[in-house]
Amino acid sequence: DAKTTQPPSMDCAEGRAANLPCNHSTISGNEYVYWYRQIHSQGPQYIIHGLKNNETNEMASLIITEDRKSSTLILPHATLRDTAVYYCIVMVKSNFGNEKLTFGTGTRLTIIP
Amino acid sequence: DSGVTQTPKHLITATGQRVTLRCSPRSGDLSVYWYQQSLDQGLQFLIQYYNGEERAKGNILERFSAQQFPDLHSELNLSSLELGDSALYFCASSVDLGAGGGIEQFFGPGTRLTVL
Repeated sequence: DAKTTQPPSMDCAEGRAANLPCNHSTISGNEYVYWYRQIHSQGPQYIIHGLKNNETNEMASLIITEDRKSSTLILPHATLRDTAVYYCIVMVKSNFGNEKLTFGTGTRLTIIP
Repeated sequence: DSGVTQTPKHLITATGQRVTLRCSPRSGDLSVYWYQQSLDQGLQFLIQYYNGEERAKGNILERFSAQQFPDLHSELNLSSLELGDSALYFCASSVDLGAGGGIEQFFGPGTRLTVL
């Protein structure tokens, strides 16, 4: 699986959009980009994933560059409850369901009132 | 609430002892994954079971073992415990997201193990 690089920490004002970058310059054509977050020692929570098209769901948007070497997770209106560590994970989807998640160090996002 | 349950929430034991952590996946999920989160190693994948069979193995020590039962619940057994085994242990279960690719994993609340 490709390696990812994320900034160790970021701050964002409450109510503003939080943009979390991730570099994955060695990504292969069949690797997906996933985002999970972990709120203070709780179990990680899936946010969104994508292959090459931009994706949006009720939690966030995922913007993947055309060359797929980087992506940005966007939380459109950050709230205090979005304070968490955010993990960008690049992974191949196998045919056998053995998608083990390889977590890096992530980005610690702090939402400031 | 992810629908994945783990027991116990907290476990305090002594070095050399053996403990069993239990996980019940979401209804209908066939895959169960175990992860360890320690301060120095971060979140690490240990092992995966799919419908009762071991499917993938990560950095799981030989002192650790797991199994998945016919009712799909899983147990992680940790033996000859050392101080360094103190960590949060998470269980996750998964459902296929379909043709769009990828599998979303639902994580339980974790078991905090303290080895004294």
